[in-house]
Amino acid sequence: KAGVTQTPRYLIKTRGQQVTLSCSPISGHRSVSWYQQTPGQGLQFLFEYFSETQRNKGNFPGRFSGRQFSNSRSEMNVSTLELGDSALYLCASSTLAGVENEQFFGPGTRLTVL
Amino acid sequence: QKEVEQNSGPLSVPEGAIASLNCTYSDRVSQSFFWYRQYSGKSPELIMSIYSNGDKEDGRFTAQLNKASQYVSLLIRDSQPSDSATYLCAVPGGSYIPTFGRGTSLIVHP
Repeated sequence: KAGVTQTPRYLIKTRGQQVTLSCSPISGHRSVSWYQQTPGQGLQFLFEYFSETQRNKGNFPGRFSGRQFSNSRSEMNVSTLELGDSALYLCASSTLAGVENEQFFGPGTRLTVL
Repeated sequence: QKEVEQNSGPLSVPEGAIASLNCTYSDRVSQSFFWYRQYSGKSPELIMSIYSNGDKEDGRFTAQLNKASQYVSLLIRDSQPSDSATYLCAVPGGSYIPTFGRGTSLIVHP
């Protein structure tokens, strides 16, 4: 069974631009969560989607948004990029709703904001 | 503010030894606990989940949970150089927002 896939793997943007990242979960998984990982803050939860609905959200500004499609694929968008948004963005999928279940991570998208 | 604490290390052990990694958490309502392994430049990989007090064994890995003392640990027996990585403890907690520890760096030297 194929794992979680994320595209693109690397991205370079400049301040003020916006970016869209994509995640395809493991086949049959309906929950998709997004995380930001930086050396300074570690791994931080952004939001979780299940059946096209956002179930919960971490402590990030409204510039960070996401959505999920009927095939469970998910996208996250960051508008008005700031230098501090440079990070590894990880997507994780799970069979069941709720981050209290086992989650499987994709390879991540490395975003660099110049 | 929920907290998950891990010793950042590095924890250095010789090949063949037992590596012991510890994690404490503050959210008493947590019911599930996870250990992830992350190699440098890679994404986290789930290696153990534990939900009940006591020990859970899977191959060379044993997870131990003590809810009364609010700690969860990971033991790696017969440590190999390929086990060298950062180990992250994850505690979803009652608010359904997962909190990850900062991770413990493990170095297994030949």
